[in-house]
Amino acid sequence: EVQLVQPGAEVKKPGESLMISCKASGYSFTSYWIGWVRQMPGKGLEWMGIIYPGDSDTRYSPSFQGQVTISADKSISTAYLQWNSLKASDTAMYYCARLSGGNSPAPDYWGQGTLVTVSS
Amino acid sequence: SYELTQPPSVSVSPGQTARITCSGDALPKKYAYWYQQKSGQAPVLVIYEDSKRPSGIPERFSGSSSGTMATLTISGAQVEDEADYYCYSTDSSGNRGVFGGGTKLTVL
Repeated sequence: EVQLVQPGAEVKKPGESLMISCKASGYSFTSYWIGWVRQMPGKGLEWMGIIYPGDSDTRYSPSFQGQVTISADKSISTAYLQWNSLKASDTAMYYCARLSGGNSPAPDYWGQGTLVTVSS
Repeated sequence: SYELTQPPSVSVSPGQTARITCSGDALPKKYAYWYQQKSGQAPVLVIYEDSKRPSGIPERFSGSSSGTMATLTISGAQVEDEADYYCYSTDSSGNRGVFGGGTKLTVL
């Protein structure tokens, strides 16, 4: 059974750094892209970027390029989303998702999301 | 930047057919995917590659695509189908994923 496990919540202050995780199981972690999706309170889904853990090929949506860093540690089947200096506007739910294989990969399995709250 | 356009809301009575559209310039060449998101839950894939249904998804969910528009159809919508629905696809290069703005389906 494919599972993506994320921590439930993180609370941080503006200016602090943060790394949230997404631990995968039930499939070959290095053979599928993993993506990150933001959902701000009361808003829709936003595509942030993807990583291929097999070779660490990483691609960012233009809106998030330079704002976050996506990485993966294949030794522990875990993907990460990182901020160096959080802003209040980073408050959102963040989902990781496995992308299906084939010529047109898209999210097929999702984590339960990590709620990030940034407040002074 | 590439965009997918969905109606903000659709409303039907129980048992009626709900249709949610998604328009995008690259859809003639790229597959559409549909996700259901109920309040407080993670999204769930309900249609992939325009018209295929994952195992466990009820048969009343179907998808189609023609030209620049993809459509999610829920035949005989149930109260439990109330949710936000998002389409997903990629730009023409295939390098960037994008979600539609989402459609709130009300069944009452």
